[in-house]
Amino acid sequence: ILNVEQSPQSLHVQEGDSTNFTCSFPSSNFYALHWYRWETAKSPEALFVMTLNGDEKKKGRISATLNTKEGYSYLYIKGSQPEDSATYLCAFHYNTNAGKSTFGDGTTLTVKP
Amino acid sequence: EAQVTQNPRYLITVTGKKLTVTCSQNMNHEYMSWYRQDPGLGLRQIYYSMNVEVTDKGDVPEGYKVSRKEKRNFPLILESPSPNQTSLYFCASSLLDGNEQFFGPGTRLTVL
Repeated sequence: ILNVEQSPQSLHVQEGDSTNFTCSFPSSNFYALHWYRWETAKSPEALFVMTLNGDEKKKGRISATLNTKEGYSYLYIKGSQPEDSATYLCAFHYNTNAGKSTFGDGTTLTVKP
Repeated sequence: EAQVTQNPRYLITVTGKKLTVTCSQNMNHEYMSWYRQDPGLGLRQIYYSMNVEVTDKGDVPEGYKVSRKEKRNFPLILESPSPNQTSLYFCASSLLDGNEQFFGPGTRLTVL
């Protein structure tokens, strides 16, 4: 099992703070990197699919960057709101077998009003 | 409505009693996958299917079986469940492998 690591494991911020998390993955055999948002008692929902080195994606206040050469992706949330509270998961897909995916353990974000 | 459905949503069973968790998608997706989620851990892939009659092992396939006889259905079979298979299970599908995945609502399984 290849290692996909997310840091920090948890994060507590105040409403209005900006924050970011990291997903580290193997720099070889890269096919795609996905970010998912997972709220308590719900199912994970896709945020971004990133495939190219240097990719930057944005959805509202959330954005992500990708560096496949060094094996990391950052997720940024600008001006955090309580509704951003969730666990954020990244998933690495292999180019030798794109059907196989390895998830990180997630970063749990709590935004206090 | 485009969705992935799983049944049952909750199940309590006993060791050794065969069970099947069904998964169905109505989006004509080629790719389907099963994951389990345990406290403090992310999702771990059990099995996946790239297309009808094509299945392959994920990272934690021991104790599970799957089949993909039709494009829309991808059942997860536990032939002889054990307590260490107590977990939250998610089925997911995507148009093709590597595309964003759509997850079902989850099945919480307890094996006594």
